[in-house]
Amino acid sequence: DAKTTQPNSMESNEEEPVHLPCNHSTISGTDYIHWYRQLPSQGPEYVIHGLTSNVNNRMASLAIAEDRKSSTLILHRATLRDAAVYYCILRDVDYGGSQGNLIFGKGTKLSVKP
Amino acid sequence: NAGVTQTPKFRILKIGQSMTLQCTQDMNHNYMYWYRQDPGMGLKLIYYSVGAGITDKGEVPNGYNVSRSTTEDFPLRLELAAPSQTSVYFCASRQTGGEYNEQFFGPGTRLTVL
Repeated sequence: DAKTTQPNSMESNEEEPVHLPCNHSTISGTDYIHWYRQLPSQGPEYVIHGLTSNVNNRMASLAIAEDRKSSTLILHRATLRDAAVYYCILRDVDYGGSQGNLIFGKGTKLSVKP
Repeated sequence: NAGVTQTPKFRILKIGQSMTLQCTQDMNHNYMYWYRQDPGMGLKLIYYSVGAGITDKGEVPNGYNVSRSTTEDFPLRLELAAPSQTSVYFCASRQTGGEYNEQFFGPGTRLTVL
């Protein structure tokens, strides 16, 4: 499985944008980039995913480098509720079986200051 | 629509005792998962199931057993509890197939083995 590298922790100020980086230099052509986050004392929740093009949804934006060896999760205006551990995970298309399994690293712990 | 529910929320076991962690989902998802999360670490996959009657081992299956007799339920059994099984356990489910890989997680069960 392709590996991702994320900073252990980051800090942000409330209402400012946050850019969470993820390096994945060994990504394969069919790997999708997924982001999950885990709020304190809760289970992880899906944030966003993409393959090649940048993606936007109501929670965040995902910017993917042209060579796909890195990506950045963008929170446009951080709130206190965005304080969480953010996981960047690579997964192949699910053809059934174990391809859809997620492998969690330690992620990036985001702190948001008022 | 309750999503993924887990019981109990907390449990303290003595070494050698056994227990079953319950997980139920009401989204008619084929895939279900059990993870454990040790302090400061990411989630590790224990077992997963691709449908009723089908289960398979994940990364850390030793000391655990699962069954999947219905689509909705995926209980996790600890037969002889050991201190190394002290952890937070998360159940998750998802729909089948394709690039879309959103897993829905339950709130977790915090287990302490003394």
